[in-house]
Amino acid sequence: KNQVEQSPQSLIILEGKNCTLQCNYTVSPFSNLRWYKQDTGRGPVSLTIMTFSENTKSNGRYTATLDADTKQSSLHITASQLSDSASYICVVSAKTAGNKLTFGGGTRVLVKP
Amino acid sequence: EAQVTQNPRYLITVTGKKLTVTCSQNMNHEYMSWYRQDPGLGLRQIYYSMNVEVTDKGDVPEGYKVSRKEKRNFPLILESPSPNQTSLYFCASSLVQGGSYEQYFGPGTRLTVT
Repeated sequence: KNQVEQSPQSLIILEGKNCTLQCNYTVSPFSNLRWYKQDTGRGPVSLTIMTFSENTKSNGRYTATLDADTKQSSLHITASQLSDSASYICVVSAKTAGNKLTFGGGTRVLVKP
Repeated sequence: EAQVTQNPRYLITVTGKKLTVTCSQNMNHEYMSWYRQDPGLGLRQIYYSMNVEVTDKGDVPEGYKVSRKEKRNFPLILESPSPNQTSLYFCASSLVQGGSYEQYFGPGTRLTVT
C-alpha cells in the first residue's frame, strides 16, 4: 500500500532559527515528490516538485532534498519567519495510470517571536 | 489572475438536503480533482477528472457525485449529505495529470452537516 509518513507531527521554533521536516514514502513506482505549504483554512500552495533525478531543490528559504534510494525527503526552512507558521505537506506521485497522488499527514510548524 | 475558485466558502446544512459545491478554474487545465481534509487524516481524493466528460473515483467517493460538462467547471454534488461528510473540501486543477505539472488548489469550502 502506498504511504507517506511525515515527522514530526508538529514543532515550535523561534523566529530566525532553522528547522528540518522529514518525509518517508513507500509509493511505487515513483514519479515525483512535492512539498506544499498550507496556511490555516487555506488551500495548499506548492513549494517544490522533484523528480527521481533531482537531489535538491530550493524555493527561497525553503530547500527540499530527495534520496530516492532510501525513499526519504526533507524540507529545510532557513531563518524562519512568523509567516512560515503553517502546515507542510509531503505528496508523492506514482507513475501509474492517473498518476495518483498520496498525501502525507503534514507537519504543523509554529514560529514564535 | 490564474486561479481556482470555489463556492460557497462556508456552508451549514441539514442531513439529507442536496447541495452542490462549485469549482471553476481559468487556466484551461484538463485535470481537476476534489479532496476532503479531516483532522489527522490529511487530504483524501474524492473524485477526479482527466478531461471533459471523463471522471473517476478517488479514495473516498461514497456519498458524492461529480460532473465535467465544461473544461473549466467541476462541481461536487452531495445528493443526501450526512454528518460524516462534515469536512473541509478542496478543488484542485493541473494542466494534465502526471509528470511534474503544478497542481493548484482552491481556497476551500468548509461544510457542516447537522
